[in-house]
Amino acid sequence: KNEVEQSPQNLTAQEGEFITINCSYSVGISALHWLQQHPGGGIVSLFMLSSGKKKHGRLIATINIQEKHSSLHITASHPRDSAVYICAVRIIQGAQKLVFGQGTRLTINP
Amino acid sequence: SAVISQKPSRDICQRGTSLTIQCQVDSQVTMMFWYRQQPGQSLTLIATANQGSEATYESGFVIDKFPISRPNLTFSTLTVSNMSPEDSSIYLCSVEGAPYEQYFGPGTRLTVT
Repeated sequence: KNEVEQSPQNLTAQEGEFITINCSYSVGISALHWLQQHPGGGIVSLFMLSSGKKKHGRLIATINIQEKHSSLHITASHPRDSAVYICAVRIIQGAQKLVFGQGTRLTINP
Repeated sequence: SAVISQKPSRDICQRGTSLTIQCQVDSQVTMMFWYRQQPGQSLTLIATANQGSEATYESGFVIDKFPISRPNLTFSTLTVSNMSPEDSSIYLCSVEGAPYEQYFGPGTRLTVT
């Protein structure tokens, strides 16, 4: 079993829909990251969470430390939101390294 | 924040050859990370590079295949040696800011024929 599990793996929606991507993890963490990767390959950090909830524009990220679960929400989705969204956790034990989920490929159709 | 550049952005190489990827950061950082992303997969950590010491490699990655240099606090190189088609991937470097913020380079897309 992977230490970080994302769902769904693929998601196709119509423009304007509310999007939710989920991330569950099984290890102790110091932080959780939501990353966005566009087809060119570059990765942008959207959120870094250690507790609670953060909002940036149409994007909202939440984390429940007790349940080891995080969600990324996109409101009023737009075709430019089409990308791969990756959940990554910074593990507590050992070196300061990230463990990545498999990613969610999101396609928003106009 | 940190801005990271990588060279080359992409390359097509023949099997058996080597490619060196450069990673430049616009600020001094203690640790730099090198990742591989194989087609359709997520990122896998290759090694962590500290300035002035040997890189620390993850399980499945060895120094002979992926030698890393870290000559100063803003620069690192990763060499992919004796390449095979299985090495075709995107290679990314990243750094960690404070506290725990992650910054990634634009990636190097490598195709081995």
